[in-house]
Amino acid sequence: QSALTQPASVSGSPGQSITISCTGTSSDIGDYNSVSWYQQHPGKAPKLMIYDVRNRPSGISNRFSGSKSGNTASLTISGLQAEDEADYYCSSYTNFNTWVFGGGTKLTVL
Amino acid sequence: EVQLLESGGGLVQPGGSLRLSCGASGFTFSNYAMNWVRQAPGKGLEWVSVIRGGGSYTYYADSVKGRFTISRDNAKDTLYLQMNSLRADDTAIYYCAKTTQWRGAFDYWGQGALVTVSS
Repeated sequence: QSALTQPASVSGSPGQSITISCTGTSSDIGDYNSVSWYQQHPGKAPKLMIYDVRNRPSGISNRFSGSKSGNTASLTISGLQAEDEADYYCSSYTNFNTWVFGGGTKLTVL
Repeated sequence: EVQLLESGGGLVQPGGSLRLSCGASGFTFSNYAMNWVRQAPGKGLEWVSVIRGGGSYTYYADSVKGRFTISRDNAKDTLYLQMNSLRADDTAIYYCAKTTQWRGAFDYWGQGALVTVSS
């Protein structure tokens, strides 16, 4: 049950787009379309942003989009806003009937 | 409105036990798998355990297998996590989280309960 691999940090200026990658294995991301992404602001509970690779829950801005290729999933945030500054985590169901998270990526809006 | 409210956190000595509860409202509790996810201070999220809606199937992370037990009372809309043989590295905020469907995402989270394991 090794954690999924995410970059520790990414940054971008307001209005720009950024992409966060999430690399797993053929036992998790590569085997299921059950990848999800979470946003977490300091001191708050995580919030679901993307589920099933590319679907947005009701109320989530269409500036957030997800994709997957092989064992790697990606989260793209377009039109960066100051309020997007947060930690982002990917997660995937695995073929051990468990879930696994990535190590998290700190997004800084310059 | 879906609400999840954890309780039972606190300070416990190494080797001790603690039971967390998570009260649910706003949805048909028995229809959904429920999870515990934890976050050590300054660290990332770690999935801990899941229990299916009927309560018959449970799964655990290797780090807690044999020490933690997840359970639920569908009549009381409450999820539990019994934690035994606690270690310092179990210190974390413990969140309960609802799953959209089996193999799905965690769509609702509680506010978290802090568990501190220290002498």
